[in-house]
Amino acid sequence: DAGVIQSPRHEVTEMGQEVTLRCKPISGHDYLFWYRQTMMRGLELLIYFNNNVPIDDSGMPEDRFSAKMPNASFSTLKIQPSEPRDSAVYFCASSISGGGETQYFGPGTRLLVL
Amino acid sequence: AQTVTQSQPEMSVQEAETVTLSCTYDTSESDYYLFWYKQPPSRQMILVIRQEAYKQQNATENRFSVNFQKAAKSFSLKISDSQLGDAAMYFCAQGYSSASKIIFGSGTRLSIRP
Repeated sequence: DAGVIQSPRHEVTEMGQEVTLRCKPISGHDYLFWYRQTMMRGLELLIYFNNNVPIDDSGMPEDRFSAKMPNASFSTLKIQPSEPRDSAVYFCASSISGGGETQYFGPGTRLLVL
Repeated sequence: AQTVTQSQPEMSVQEAETVTLSCTYDTSESDYYLFWYKQPPSRQMILVIRQEAYKQQNATENRFSVNFQKAAKSFSLKISDSQLGDAAMYFCAQGYSSASKIIFGSGTRLSIRP
């Protein structure tokens, strides 16, 4: 398997623009997680899905952030409008099930909002 | 609230020597899992080792082993015969059978002296 795939790997945008990050989980994995990593706050869980359904979005910082999972092989994280404080590395991870199963991470998307 | 604490922000070890990274956690759950993830400069989060709390035997994976002290809520990672490729951030993490989230520590940056 190719592992978790994320695109783009790098994104530079200007404040106010819409940003869309994409993720393809490992085939057969029922859980998908979106994380954000910054120096100040470390690794934060934003939202996770089970069988394409959002289960917990309490980590989503504000209404400018939204995530969707239209099918088992694709998810997006959208920021609209983007702000400089959104600059971070965004990771997608998937696991075969919940309950403490290992999460496998994608390579991350480094986002810079100018 | 469940927490994971890594008290060593940075560690350094001579190549070929052994180093131990510390991790403590706080939980009221009885069924949980513990992880060590490695994040090299490429930023990819890679699973190093996983331990089920109900297992008394410490998990090992080649040069990596853990010292799991359940009563003390301690989960340290020992790296034997350190290699230059071991240089990375190491994150301790905890997951639960009753939930799908994994709680991450703040990380320890390990450098290897040649």
